[in-house]
Amino acid sequence: GQNIDQPTEMTATEGAIVQINCTYQTSGFNGLFWYQQHAGEAPTFLSYNVLDGLEEKGRFSSFLSRSKGYSYLLLKELQMKDSASYLCAVKDTDKLIFGTGTRLQVFP
Amino acid sequence: DAGVTQSPTHLIKTRGQHVTLRCSPISGHKSVSWYQQVLGQGPQFIFQYYEKEERGRGNFPDRFSARQFPNYSSELNVNALLLGDSALYLCASSYPPGRPSSGNTIYFGEGSWLTVV
Repeated sequence: GQNIDQPTEMTATEGAIVQINCTYQTSGFNGLFWYQQHAGEAPTFLSYNVLDGLEEKGRFSSFLSRSKGYSYLLLKELQMKDSASYLCAVKDTDKLIFGTGTRLQVFP
Repeated sequence: DAGVTQSPTHLIKTRGQHVTLRCSPISGHKSVSWYQQVLGQGPQFIFQYYEKEERGRGNFPDRFSARQFPNYSSELNVNALLLGDSALYLCASSYPPGRPSSGNTIYFGEGSWLTVV
């Protein structure tokens, strides 16, 4: 079966660091994506991992361990505008399989 | 450069009606996929098209159909609308499958919000 798990909600304080975890079990694997989605808007691309290790892009970093079926998104120096849902998605052949998303609320 | 464009952005239909949603991919992208996102959930895969051919289909009824045109734009059609079809319909654009850079260039349009009453 296809299963992607991530926490439903998280809260953090402005300026802090937060880590959003994602575990997956899929029949195929061609990479893992993280998207940010603000309420009422479409998902925007954040990161892509296909090999094990850490990918860093500004305040955002994403990590992948294929053997453990595990990824995380790390957000540093949190800002109020980072309040959004974060979607973990595995690419299986030609389609993306999404988790339900993690709703992050950043407080002042 | 224009991103993925979708139309219409919002629409309201009544049960039993038909709807057509349109998508234009990023210039140079030849693959288009459609997703349905119900409130509070992640997007669900509906179709993928590449070079005008269906490459993948999700677990959706036959009321859902799609096609891709020679200019790589695409239409999603839904017949006999049900209340449960109310959702955000997303179009995703990417390079052809198999190219080295294809994996990290999947971008979504702004979506079409469909409300069925």
